[in-house]
Amino acid sequence: GESVGLHLPTLSVQEGDNSIINCAYSNSASDYFIWYKQESGKGPQFIIDIRSNMDKRQGQRVTVLLNKTVKHLSLQIAATQPGDSAVYFCAEHYSGTYKYIFGTGTRLKVLA
Amino acid sequence: NAGVTQTPKFRVLKTGQSMTLLCAQDMNHEYMYWYRQDPGMGLRLIHYSVGEGTTAKGEVPDGYNVSRLKKQNFLLGLESAAPSQTSVYFCASSYSILGQGGTGELFFGEGSRLTVL
Repeated sequence: GESVGLHLPTLSVQEGDNSIINCAYSNSASDYFIWYKQESGKGPQFIIDIRSNMDKRQGQRVTVLLNKTVKHLSLQIAATQPGDSAVYFCAEHYSGTYKYIFGTGTRLKVLA
Repeated sequence: NAGVTQTPKFRVLKTGQSMTLLCAQDMNHEYMYWYRQDPGMGLRLIHYSVGEGTTAKGEVPDGYNVSRLKKQNFLLGLESAAPSQTSVYFCASSYSILGQGGTGELFFGEGSRLTVL
């Protein structure tokens, strides 16, 4: 079975509700942030990104909010669907480097 | 368009054995990375490459070696496997890094699950 993510925090939402997944990042100088979705047994899949000079960015059913004051990132998923069930994690990019720091992730469970 | 392909997908080794993981990308990306993913931890960078013929150490390079003889391939080697290297390994590539005209987005392979007994 899947060994990655055994001890992850879990968010359970009803199908059709909105989901909010949070992430705290570490480096106030980070200039770029990405949200990834990882389904069981698969590689991380890009969802949405945001640069540090923005506060909000919207995609299809997803919105990322960036609060640099408290170093907080959130991913909002509208009208959550069963196919959204996965582990979601954020990544921050250290300015001027090749380095990305990845969060440990949150498991999203969509209840029918 | 295959994207990033990793082989093998699964492997079981005995302590002390050696093996090589192969990563191939068909997107003409300059930058390639090897990460490991362990329970309760975020992805950690093992080694990376900023172009053909170049490699550099990441956060957790000990016990691993890499080579980038061709732009499209990035090999991760374990010379003498240890149980602590039991993990899921991910290769990633990117067209550029932020500030060089690209988004910096990392494209990941499907992973290689390695168990060392």
